[in-house]
Amino acid sequence: DSGVTQTPKHLITATGQRVTLRCSPRSGDLSVYWYQQSLDQGLQFLIQYYNGEERAKGNILERFSAQQFPDLHSELNLSSLELGDSALYFCASSVSWGNYGYTFGSGTRLTVV
Amino acid sequence: TQLLEQSPQFLSIQEGENLTVYCNSSSVFSSLQWYRQEPGEGPVLLVTVVTGGEVKKLKRLTFQFGDARKDSSLHITAAQPGDTGLYLCAGYNQGGKLIFGQGTELSVKP
Repeated sequence: DSGVTQTPKHLITATGQRVTLRCSPRSGDLSVYWYQQSLDQGLQFLIQYYNGEERAKGNILERFSAQQFPDLHSELNLSSLELGDSALYFCASSVSWGNYGYTFGSGTRLTVV
Repeated sequence: TQLLEQSPQFLSIQEGENLTVYCNSSSVFSSLQWYRQEPGEGPVLLVTVVTGGEVKKLKRLTFQFGDARKDSSLHITAAQPGDTGLYLCAGYNQGGKLIFGQGTELSVKP
């Protein structure tokens, strides 16, 4: 157990639908990151939050949004889902940002049918 | 755009052999990290290298950061089946984002 909890572990949904992925960071970590992993694209950075505020954005689609709550858990919302959104979504956390290693959760496998 | 290129993409070796995985970029990184990922799990941090020329050892694994901080290598001595997995290098770019290479899929056969 890495200390980063992601739910659900698996999600199967239809095109056009909306889903919410949840992440609880490791105790004491203030930064939360979301990554998408697919076979052809590898691990792609989506977005980072630090202590409730958005800090950095990567290649996140406009159909996707995220937030970090006062208790530091984070949610990634994916809407108007397309087949190409099928991927593994990872949450990671770290104490702060900079040259810190990340602790990853086990991921949510999203399948859009 | 800062990119990290890993080579080889796939490596299949016999138990006991040595191997080296490379991570290269045309850009300078403030630090480089190596992760190992097993199927169905998230990446797990192995090491962070910060100083150009730095060498770190973790049991049979040796990590090196290039003098110019643009490249890194991972050398495994006497590989074991338990070393099987996806090895990822990652670097912090100037925007403060941790970007990952495509990974090296290592298979060690008994």
